[in-house]
Amino acid sequence: RKEVEQDPGPFNVPEGATVAFNCTYSNSASQSFFWYRQDCRKEPKLLMSVYSSGNEDGRFTAQLNRASQYISLLIRDSKLSDSATYLCVVGGSQGNLIFGKGTKLSVKP
Amino acid sequence: DADVTQTPRNRITKTGKRIMLECSQTKGHDRMYWYRQDPGLGLRLIYYSFDVKDINKGEISDGYSVSRQAQAKFSLSLESAIPNQTALYFCATRGQGGDTQYFGPGTRLTVL
Repeated sequence: RKEVEQDPGPFNVPEGATVAFNCTYSNSASQSFFWYRQDCRKEPKLLMSVYSSGNEDGRFTAQLNRASQYISLLIRDSKLSDSATYLCVVGGSQGNLIFGKGTKLSVKP
Repeated sequence: DADVTQTPRNRITKTGKRIMLECSQTKGHDRMYWYRQDPGLGLRLIYYSFDVKDINKGEISDGYSVSRQAQAKFSLSLESAIPNQTALYFCATRGQGGDTQYFGPGTRLTVL
């Protein structure tokens, strides 16, 4: 089993749509969880950390279910500028990050 | 100015050549990392360093070496480049006690 697995994508949605990304991780001892965003040929950038209680940042909501080892990201009212690849990321034991392969989102007019 | 810089940004080289990729940071972070990204495989950890005297292998260190010349500088070397090392390479930093990693802009390396 891969350490971090994501929806394969790609997701093609119209502007204004709500889209959800899902992710599972294999190490039950993991302590930190993130969603990163990566634009084409650019570096990954932190979108948001994910906490057990769930957290929201504007149109973005992240949820963590430790029992199921499941992480989600919900984007509401999607914008053209949301088009990117979204990376599910779990903190490793050496302070490194373990990345999922990413899910590409294309928001169309 | 960018907090994490990488040089070169693009490099084309031939099989067997020695290549050095450099990373510098002005964030004052003690932890630095090298990752490579391949299509369909995501980012994978090559080496990481917690300070100048602490260097550790990551998931895919074979064929690579690193040097932490100073707290702010972390270089990745390919002693004898081969075509399957063609990839996008990212350097990242992290402060002690913090979770967030900050990435450089990447180096696109092509080995012919």
